[in-house]
Amino acid sequence: SQQGEEDPQALSIQEGENATMNCSYKTSINNLQWYRQNSGRGLVHLILIRSNEREKHSGRLRVTLDTSKKSSSLLITASRAADTASYFCATAYGVGGWGYNKLIFGAGTRLAVHP
Amino acid sequence: NAGVTQTPKFRVLKTGQSMTLLCAQDMNHEYMYWYRQDPGMGLRLIHYSVGEGTTAKGEVPDGYNVSRLKKQNFLLGLESAAPSQTSVYFCASSLNTGELFFGEGSRLTVL
Repeated sequence: SQQGEEDPQALSIQEGENATMNCSYKTSINNLQWYRQNSGRGLVHLILIRSNEREKHSGRLRVTLDTSKKSSSLLITASRAADTASYFCATAYGVGGWGYNKLIFGAGTRLAVHP
Repeated sequence: NAGVTQTPKFRVLKTGQSMTLLCAQDMNHEYMYWYRQDPGMGLRLIHYSVGEGTTAKGEVPDGYNVSRLKKQNFLLGLESAAPSQTSVYFCASSLNTGELFFGEGSRLTVL
């Protein structure tokens, strides 16, 4: 399977702490994306990092990509109770001749941030 | 600005019944997708479309059919529902091959 795998499956921390989630994948990718899903809601895009990028920031989010190890990490700094959600990595693979990227999602990390 | 809208949000079917899930997007996106989400398995791609009038199979297409007659709409059909199709279905769209915009999901139970 080309599916990305997140680690850990669940993470419980206190407000103010940092949360780190990891994603590993198996074959070469075009880009890697992180999404967030609140309970009972749809997924929301957080950040996209291309295969030629090593690090990207967005507010309290920091994403790294190591293509030699086929892994990525998402760091949420100074976490808040409102960050409680599931976080998914999605790896994009080129398909056919359309320039279309097939997006494969991992099973997610459930993050609980306690006040 | 509605984004991606899915109807219905909830549905209960009996085995063998048929139904259609409707996805509508108002962002003029070329690409549209149907995923299913099951506990512990993340999202799996059922079918996708790279433009009006086109469809293609994803990872788990069996038991589903799709149509993209209009650019803004992507329909997912179940011809003969089975309990294994109990799931939460998500539609998504994208402008190109980057960020996906998701609907709020359609929860389907097949008895």
